[in-house]
Amino acid sequence: GNSVTQMEGPVTLSEEAFLTINCTYTATGYPSLFWYVQYPGEGLQLLLKATKADDKGSNKGFEATYRKETTSFHLEKGSVQVSDSAVYFCALNTGFQKLVFGTGTRLLVSP
Amino acid sequence: NAGVTQTPKFQVLKTGQSMTLQCAQDMNHNSMYWYRQDPGMGLRLIYYSASEGTTDKGEVPNGYNVSRLNKREFSLRLESAAPSQTSVYFCASSFSQETYEQYFGPGTRLTVT
Repeated sequence: GNSVTQMEGPVTLSEEAFLTINCTYTATGYPSLFWYVQYPGEGLQLLLKATKADDKGSNKGFEATYRKETTSFHLEKGSVQVSDSAVYFCALNTGFQKLVFGTGTRLLVSP
Repeated sequence: NAGVTQTPKFQVLKTGQSMTLQCAQDMNHNSMYWYRQDPGMGLRLIYYSASEGTTDKGEVPNGYNVSRLNKREFSLRLESAAPSQTSVYFCASSFSQETYEQYFGPGTRLTVT
């Protein structure tokens, strides 16, 4: 079936460090891939997306590239801020917007 | 523009009690969704409504019912709550099933004792 696997958290970084959160997927066909972010006490917000192989999604300094050969969509940011502390969810679209989510990775950034 | 709103924010129920979670959106979206979020499980789709007047089961529909009251509102009902339904519930909406972005509400934290 369709599934998303994310690295276990929490990921703890100092401000201005480089961030990578790994995400791999299993899917039939060619899904669209997403990163959502959940700030404390809030619902999820779409951070970025990629709809086909080799596409790069980017937003707010975050980037992720759709790698079909490795079935991956790793999230990266060159210099994290305290305000980036949140839970990050990788997700794929299996058609008709039925999103399949990973378990989430908590990021903690300290000053 | 409030986006997606949910009520209540918190609720404690005893086993066997019933309740309805309310969700409304003011973005004129056609599609609406109910998810539950459990530790280590990510979000799982309970029910969705592609458009006003239609509802369909998601991944984990057992123990729940939904009503798409009108284009704005989509409610989730627990007829006889069980401890396994302790979770955080999120409502979401999108313009259509073909668009990629879903907008989420702030969630309802439900505890069933």
